[in-house]
Amino acid sequence: EPEVTQTPSHQVTQMGQEVILRCVPISNHLYFYWYRQILGQKVEFLVSFYNNEISEKSEIFDDQFSVERPDGSNFTLKIRSTKLEDSAMYFCASRDRGGNSPLHFGNGTRLTVT
Amino acid sequence: AQSVTQLGSHVSVSEGALVLLRCNYSSSVPPYLFWYVQYPNQGLQLLLKYTSAATLVKGINGFEAEFKKSETSFHLTKPSAHMSDAAEYFCAVMPPDTGNQFYFGTGTSLTVIP
Repeated sequence: EPEVTQTPSHQVTQMGQEVILRCVPISNHLYFYWYRQILGQKVEFLVSFYNNEISEKSEIFDDQFSVERPDGSNFTLKIRSTKLEDSAMYFCASRDRGGNSPLHFGNGTRLTVT
Repeated sequence: AQSVTQLGSHVSVSEGALVLLRCNYSSSVPPYLFWYVQYPNQGLQLLLKYTSAATLVKGINGFEAEFKKSETSFHLTKPSAHMSDAAEYFCAVMPPDTGNQFYFGTGTSLTVIP
């Protein structure tokens, strides 16, 4: 069964550094998402992406964050200048067209900012 | 604004006992409804989704959920808990009239006691 893949599985970075989290969504899916989950807390929506542009974003997704779909397969999340509070699991998800099409999640990237 | 409420952040059941995890949504229009499971250090995996074909939906691993419009609920049940069911469970909704954003509940951690 096709799946969403995320790399790396774990990223350690120093405060103020830039990080890029990478995702390969399921190939025929049209909608792409980033969520984050701070340890032991709920899953928080960051951004959704459709037709090569951001369709929705949350308050968390400020100017330090950006997303790109540089080619036909990758979907990246960039954090320009990381803060300690950015430490979390970041999940990429994709879904097909159709109202009840579910999100398909990757296994996440654990970002640790020191 | 859309909200999803999962009553009980922690639920403990004995092995073999009934599992009941509660989910209520707030929406004037019935949304698309989903349950996800998250095992430690993994991404979210779809358990089941409501498709409007039937109010009782069967999912993987013996779980099922019943949509009750009058109660705005979509509770998750399993007749007999297994040790392998210990995980975090998330209810999610996607309102049909507000784009493609999914809203997640805060999650319920299920512990199964041998």
